Amino acid sequence: GQQVMQIPQYQHVQEGEDFTTYCNSSTTLSNIQWYKQRPGGHPVFLIQLVKSGEVKKQKRLTFQFGEAKKNSSLHITATQTTDVGTYFCAGHFKAAGNKLTFGGGTRVLVKP
Amino acid sequence: DGGITQSPKYLFRKEGQNVTLSCEQNLNHDAMYWYRQDPGQGLRLIYYSQIVNDFQKGDIAEGYSVSREKKESFPLTVTSAQKNPTAFYLCASSLGGAGGYEQYFGPGTRLTVT
Repeated sequence: GQQVMQIPQYQHVQEGEDFTTYCNSSTTLSNIQWYKQRPGGHPVFLIQLVKSGEVKKQKRLTFQFGEAKKNSSLHITATQTTDVGTYFCAGHFKAAGNKLTFGGGTRVLVKP
Repeated sequence: DGGITQSPKYLFRKEGQNVTLSCEQNLNHDAMYWYRQDPGQGLRLIYYSQIVNDFQKGDIAEGYSVSREKKESFPLTVTSAQKNPTAFYLCASSLGGAGGYEQYFGPGTRLTVT
């Protein structure tokens, strides 16, 4: 079946450092969304990428969609303790109808 | 105050019992979804509905059932046929089909079956 793989599964970051989490699919995606889930909470939508090569920024967060629309990345600069949580990518495959396929998530822990 | 409500927050049941989880939204969204999340794992789709009186199986529908009699409500029943029902259950809704719309999640229900 169509899957979305996310790496790394865990990311320990020193406060102030940068990190990147990656999302990969074996088949072309129509679009990809990113969500953040704080510990004990529920996923909250961050952004959607639709176009090949698209780059979007939200303050310290930079999201990219690959040229082939098979991969995406989230880069966070100057990590803060408020960045703690699990970041999920969710891909939409045209052939799969109207549903999203979530990656396994990257759990981010910040060391002060 | 618009949003999605799920109740209860915590639910405990004995093995062999069916249990129904509630999900209500007042966002006037057409599409609704049920996901299961196990510790340290991603979200797996159980069922989804794009319009009233219609729903489709997701990736892990076995042992679950749903109904969509009203636009704002999408209850999930975890039946005794579900072999490992203990999990965190999340309900979500979107304005239209998942392809182009963000999903809004409820606070979730943690179900423990012993």
